[in-house]
Amino acid sequence: DSGVTQTPKHLITATGQRVTLRCSPRSGDLSVYWYQQSLDQGLQFLIQYYNGEERAKGNILERFSAQQFPDLHSELNLSSLELGDSALYFCASSAINTEAFFGQGTRLTVV
Amino acid sequence: GQQLNQSPQSMFIQEGEDVSMNCTSSSIFNTWLWYKQDPGEGPVLLIALYKAGELTSNGRLTAQFGITRKDSFLNISASIPSDVGIYFCAGQLLDSNYQLIWGAGTKLIIKP
Repeated sequence: DSGVTQTPKHLITATGQRVTLRCSPRSGDLSVYWYQQSLDQGLQFLIQYYNGEERAKGNILERFSAQQFPDLHSELNLSSLELGDSALYFCASSAINTEAFFGQGTRLTVV
Repeated sequence: GQQLNQSPQSMFIQEGEDVSMNCTSSSIFNTWLWYKQDPGEGPVLLIALYKAGELTSNGRLTAQFGITRKDSFLNISASIPSDVGIYFCAGQLLDSNYQLIWGAGTKLIIKP
């Protein structure tokens, strides 16, 4: 158990819909990262937050947004969903300048 | 953007063989991390390296932080069936906002 909790574990939704993925980082970790992994692909970095502020942005679509709350949990919002958005979405957390620990992921299926 | 070149992309191995994979970049890193991902699961940290030249072992796994700070390798000795999976390297750039740069992964497959 990495200590990073993601909910829900599975999500099935229709095209055009909006979903919110949730991540609780390990206790004390200030950094949260979001990644997208499509079938048999590598990890695509989406966005990073540090102590509530956006720190780095990767290949995140304009239809996607994220935020980190004062209690350090984070949410990734995906809107106007398309079939191609079906993927595993991972959250990871880290303390300052240390290794990142991953959650179990949310498997999103858009039908 | 920044890139890590991870090779090989995939490996077909016999049980008991030693395995070697590496990551290289044109950028300088202050941390190298190696992860393993099983199907449908999140990547799990195997080894973390923090100093140039550092050689660290975790059971049958050994990883090294290159002297130039631009590369790292991971070796697995005497592979067993549960070693199958995808191995990712990740590096944290010097003077970055703790952002991790990821390799594309090495898929390890055991030959029947």
